[in-house]
Amino acid sequence: GQQLNQSPQSMFIQEGEDVSMNCTSSSIFNTWLWYKQDPGEGPVLLIALYKAGELTSNGRLTAQFGITRKDSFLNISASIPSDVGIYFCAGRNSWGKLQFGAGTQVVVTP
Amino acid sequence: DGGITQSPKYLFRKEGQNVTLSCEQNLNHDAMYWYRQDPGQGLRLIYYSQIVNDFQKGDIAEGYSVSREKKESFPLTVTSAQKNPTAFYLCASGGAREETQYFGPGTRLLVL
Repeated sequence: GQQLNQSPQSMFIQEGEDVSMNCTSSSIFNTWLWYKQDPGEGPVLLIALYKAGELTSNGRLTAQFGITRKDSFLNISASIPSDVGIYFCAGRNSWGKLQFGAGTQVVVTP
Repeated sequence: DGGITQSPKYLFRKEGQNVTLSCEQNLNHDAMYWYRQDPGQGLRLIYYSQIVNDFQKGDIAEGYSVSREKKESFPLTVTSAQKNPTAFYLCASGGAREETQYFGPGTRLLVL
């Protein structure tokens, strides 16, 4: 079946550093979504990508839809303490089904 | 405010008991979804519904049941047949094109 690999699993960074995470798939996706989840809460949509090569920003967040349509990355610039949480990627295939990565746990230290 | 609400926030289930988790949305979305989240894992799809009075099994539907009698509501019942129900349950909804999904705050189910 389809595999969606998200890396890294976790990262410990200092406040002010940039963060980068990515997701790769064995199959082509038509949409990539990036979510952030705080402990005990539901995921919140950060960025949605709909076209190969698309680069979209949302404040300090930037995400790109890979040109092969099999990958996507999310960058967080100048991290702050409230960036802590779990970041999920999700890809939608041609059948309309959404598949989620296992998440990247981000810990920000002062 | 528009959004998705789930209740209760925490739910306790005894052995052999069925419990129902509520999910309501006022976003006028056609599609609604139920996911299960276990520690260190991605979200797994339990059931989804693209229109009222219709729903489809997801990847892990065994031991669960749903109904979709109203556009706004998509309750999930965790039956006694679900042997490992302890998890965080997330409801989501999306527009007709299903390009994005928006999540509720979740319900944590614990077995006594």
